[in-house]
Amino acid sequence: ILNVEQSPQSLHVQEGDSTNFTCSFPSSNFYALHWYRWETAKSPEALFVMTLNGDEKKKGRISATLNTKEGYSYLYIKGSQPEDSATYLCASLTGGGNKLTFGTGTQLKVEL
Amino acid sequence: GAVVSQHPSWVICKSGTSVKIECRSLDFQATTMFWYRQFPKQSLMLMATSNEGSKATYEQGVEKDKFLINHASLTLSTLTVTSAHPEDSSFYICSARRDEHQPQHFGDGTRLSIL
Repeated sequence: ILNVEQSPQSLHVQEGDSTNFTCSFPSSNFYALHWYRWETAKSPEALFVMTLNGDEKKKGRISATLNTKEGYSYLYIKGSQPEDSATYLCASLTGGGNKLTFGTGTQLKVEL
Repeated sequence: GAVVSQHPSWVICKSGTSVKIECRSLDFQATTMFWYRQFPKQSLMLMATSNEGSKATYEQGVEKDKFLINHASLTLSTLTVTSAHPEDSSFYICSARRDEHQPQHFGDGTRLSIL
């Protein structure tokens, strides 16, 4: 993998559904993996910074896992709510911690 | 905490004009600030990394004479798009961080339209 890739590109779920997205990144020169939530008309908001292989982080109903050896991270949302609707971006930090390369994001729409 | 302010949020100007965009970290000292550009349907693309008191580091393919970056203090970085042309029209967004172990905090972005 040469670039940061996210899937799916977009996702529509019903309120209360649990969902997950995938982020794939190059495993070489890895420094950290970032997740951000970007709501329309707002600035991107940091969710997680993950560095260790096997790391799991949780913030409310949102959690993330990291596999640095195979170069992927999963973001999980439990019991989706309409306010979770946003674009979720992952980014790989390389270059000794100075270059953040973003994926194109997963656009989540949670419907009532 | 960790608020980043970016101004202006929207600029429309004539071709040939130079446009300055400011990025301020309001409640923390940012050792490093970053400038990104986003084309429609694409990801945020890093343009340059700006460290206080030193020259910015530009990514490959980004013209440093076109996109002038100044990081005069630990709370302010500016991006000047010189002699802007329609192809410079885009969404520009800055971010700031305390150190490499911390997440980046983003401004709201600037939508630049060159007529």
